[in-house]
Amino acid sequence: DAGITQSPRYKITETGRQVTLMCHQTWSHSYMFWYRQDLGHGLRLIYYSAAADITDKGEVPDGYVVSRSKTENFPLTLESATRSQTSVYFCATGQGNNEQFFGPGTRLTVL
Amino acid sequence: GENVEQHPSTLSVQEGDSAVIKCTYSDSASNYFPWYKQELGKRPQLIIDIRSNVGEKKDQRIAVTLNKTAKHFSLHITETQPEDSAVYFCAASKGSGYSTLTFGKGTMLLVSP
Repeated sequence: DAGITQSPRYKITETGRQVTLMCHQTWSHSYMFWYRQDLGHGLRLIYYSAAADITDKGEVPDGYVVSRSKTENFPLTLESATRSQTSVYFCATGQGNNEQFFGPGTRLTVL
Repeated sequence: GENVEQHPSTLSVQEGDSAVIKCTYSDSASNYFPWYKQELGKRPQLIIDIRSNVGEKKDQRIAVTLNKTAKHFSLHITETQPEDSAVYFCAASKGSGYSTLTFGKGTMLLVSP
């Protein structure tokens, strides 16, 4: 499981600030994903990437920006954080067989 | 898009009993159905999966069954133990090549000693 890491693990910020959550993998998996997890909603896909420089929207992309300049990194940026973005964020990786493996998560609180 | 419904939302059993969690999906093109276990404060972890060319798959005390006609699949845990207590998520994905997962909202399983 050390193959996928997220930082920071905990973050408190204020409304309107920009926040970047980092995801790094050592497996060289092609696919990377960002999910948010909220009580009553399960896991919802924010953005995903099939390869470097290829990204696509998921179910709940509004208010988020992603980039993938290198295969191993997939940062998620909240350009102007809102209280509704308080959540636990999970990064995941996968290969072509649809299996996905999750990172340890980042708990974000927006005050 | 795909919609995955999961029931029940909570399930309490006594140690040694069996537990069954059921999911239905909407898109008949879906062909991959994984189950994840998430312990409190931890990441979701893949515990078993099934693909549409198989009707049942077992791994020790856990099994998954798939009914493509009815568009539902189930997780069965036998001889439950307290360490089985967790939130379980089902998911579905479709298509040839890679496709994203759509998750159910989860089932909290509580196993009492």
